[in-house]
Amino acid sequence: DAGVIQSPRHEVTEMGQEVTLRCKPISGHNSLFWYRQTMMRGLELLIYFNNNVPIDDSGMPEDRFSAKMPNASFSTLKIQPSEPRDSAVYFCASSLRGSHSNQPQHFGDGTRLSIL
Amino acid sequence: TQLLEQSPQFLSIQEGENLTVYCNSSSVFSSLQWYRQEPGEGPVLLVTVVTGGEVKKLKRLTFQFGDARKDSSLHITAAQPGDTGLYLCAGDGPFGANNLFFGTGTRLTVIP
Repeated sequence: DAGVIQSPRHEVTEMGQEVTLRCKPISGHNSLFWYRQTMMRGLELLIYFNNNVPIDDSGMPEDRFSAKMPNASFSTLKIQPSEPRDSAVYFCASSLRGSHSNQPQHFGDGTRLSIL
Repeated sequence: TQLLEQSPQFLSIQEGENLTVYCNSSSVFSSLQWYRQEPGEGPVLLVTVVTGGEVKKLKRLTFQFGDARKDSSLHITAAQPGDTGLYLCAGDGPFGANNLFFGTGTRLTVIP
């Protein structure tokens, strides 16, 4: 079975440019999570969706960040305009939301973003 | 605010040694998960513990959930180079939410 698929795997761009990260969750999963990982701050939750609806976006650092989930099989995280401090590895994860919150999250391999 | 503190932050040991990694919080969690992340990949779930005092074994890995459900430990016996990676604990979010709060991580290197 296909896992969570993220694209691109690597992105290098100049500051000020728009960056779009893409994620395809595991089929049948109804929760999707976007994380950012850096050495300094570890793994941070940016936003998550249940049934395509954003539930908590309190982790989104600034208005420059936006996320959408137009359907159950696709989500995007957009940064506009990008800044060097946005450089990090961005992960998407999906899970099957049940009656308990301890459902495992399945992660993609991440997008390594470098803003010059 | 970081809810889950892991220690040590970095650990480098020789193959065959034993080690313990700790995950501590002032908050109570109804369940706690442990993940391992290898370079260039996303975290992968190792185990979920749900009952205070629970002990789970996964081959050479032993996981324990504290009685008060505020802390957890991971013990590895006879570490092997394949155990190298970043170990992350994660506690579940508030009741009704299904997000996780990830710990600060322990980066383990096992030297052959």
